Amino acid sequence: QVTLKESGPGILQPSQTLSLTCTFSGFSLSTYGMGVGWIRQPSGKGLEWLANIWWDDDKYYNPSLKNRLTISKDTSNNQAFLKITNVDTADTATYYCARYYYFDYWGQGVMVTVSS
Amino acid sequence: DVVLTQTPSILSATIGQSVSISCRSSQSLLDSDGNTYLYWFLQRPGQSPQRLIYLVSNLGSGVPNRFSGSGSGTDFTLKISGVEAEDLGVYYCMQATHAPLTFGSGTKLEIK
Repeated sequence: QVTLKESGPGILQPSQTLSLTCTFSGFSLSTYGMGVGWIRQPSGKGLEWLANIWWDDDKYYNPSLKNRLTISKDTSNNQAFLKITNVDTADTATYYCARYYYFDYWGQGVMVTVSS
Repeated sequence: DVVLTQTPSILSATIGQSVSISCRSSQSLLDSDGNTYLYWFLQRPGQSPQRLIYLVSNLGSGVPNRFSGSGSGTDFTLKISGVEAEDLGVYYCMQATHAPLTFGSGTKLEIK
């Protein structure tokens, strides 16, 4: 059974770095063709793709945020990570991770609020 | 970036009615590998998106067969043949052919 679960700080202040963790089970990020991606959704708004990482450590970023994003993985512990530097209120959103096998499984999401 | 235009933005349907949602792309979504990476998702209230359709017309595992996808190039359609109460929520199309991956703005399905 495939599951993904996001975790994060809940609330942070502007200019801080947001660190998110996606802990998954039922698949391995060392398997050929497998990947994990991050997508976010401000409350009441649409979906925005942020970044993804592949089994071979290839990484892709949304150019609109590229300089602020870093994606990584820990294959041994079945985790993927996303860091967003210099956050501001526009980064307030629910953050989802999803399996990049035709986007078949998504986590429940984690709410992040940026506020002073 | 590829822009996906979904219409309508709001759809009101009765139980049993058949409805369609359109997703039009600003560029062809046919990839050089021969695949068209167009997906449909349903986000029920308070839940994460759930994949319905992948590669234009392939039904996701466990998805009822009243859902179907069609289209090619730049024009795509999601059809629900006989809406049920559990189908309410927001439907999104998404393309993964061109970087960056982009989503449509969503179609909210309301049940009359």
